[in-house]
Amino acid sequence: NAGVMQNPRHLVRRRGQEARLRCSPMKGHSHVYWYRQLPEEGLKFMVYLQKENIIDESGMPKERFSAEFPKEGPSILRIQQVVRGDSAAYFCASSFSRSRENTIYFGEGSWLTVV
Amino acid sequence: QQQVKQSPQSLIVQKGGISIINCAYENTAFDYFPWYQQFPGKGPALLIAIRPDVSEKKEGRFTISFNKSAKQFSLHIMDSQPGDSATYFCAAGFLADKLIFGTGTRLQVFP
Repeated sequence: NAGVMQNPRHLVRRRGQEARLRCSPMKGHSHVYWYRQLPEEGLKFMVYLQKENIIDESGMPKERFSAEFPKEGPSILRIQQVVRGDSAAYFCASSFSRSRENTIYFGEGSWLTVV
Repeated sequence: QQQVKQSPQSLIVQKGGISIINCAYENTAFDYFPWYQQFPGKGPALLIAIRPDVSEKKEGRFTISFNKSAKQFSLHIMDSQPGDSATYFCAAGFLADKLIFGTGTRLQVFP
């Protein structure tokens, strides 16, 4: 059973470009979460999605950031007009359902560098 | 109300010693408290987790102690090994989703 798959693992973008990060959840998982980790810091919640729905986006910056999880295909975290402060590791996690018995599992992360 | 405070920021332990990392939370409604281990360049991996209805959970060399009245929980690593050297994050949340993470503890175990 493959784990949470993220790509690209490393991405370099110039200021003003767009970054697209993809996440395929574990097989059978329909809940996806995106977290951001700045250097030497903990993980900050960004958004929680279920298939075709955004459940909680309270951690998403108001501008330039968007996320989707379509019926078919991976979840996408999109950052428009990137700035240096967007440089971070972006982790996707997934869970089977939203219940006490289900834990979330993280992918290996996508490291974004804005130059 | 949503913060999770973790200490110490870094920890150096001799091989065979006990590593202890502490966390405190504010929201009494939290019902899930996991610990994650992260190696450089890797994603966080679930190590052990506890629910508020138990005071202690042990898995191998790893033990979580949970004090509901004090709103604190801690990770104990017994017989610490160099391979345990990593960053450890505590977290708290609801229904095992939208976890609030602590700031991390960098553990170094020396031979």
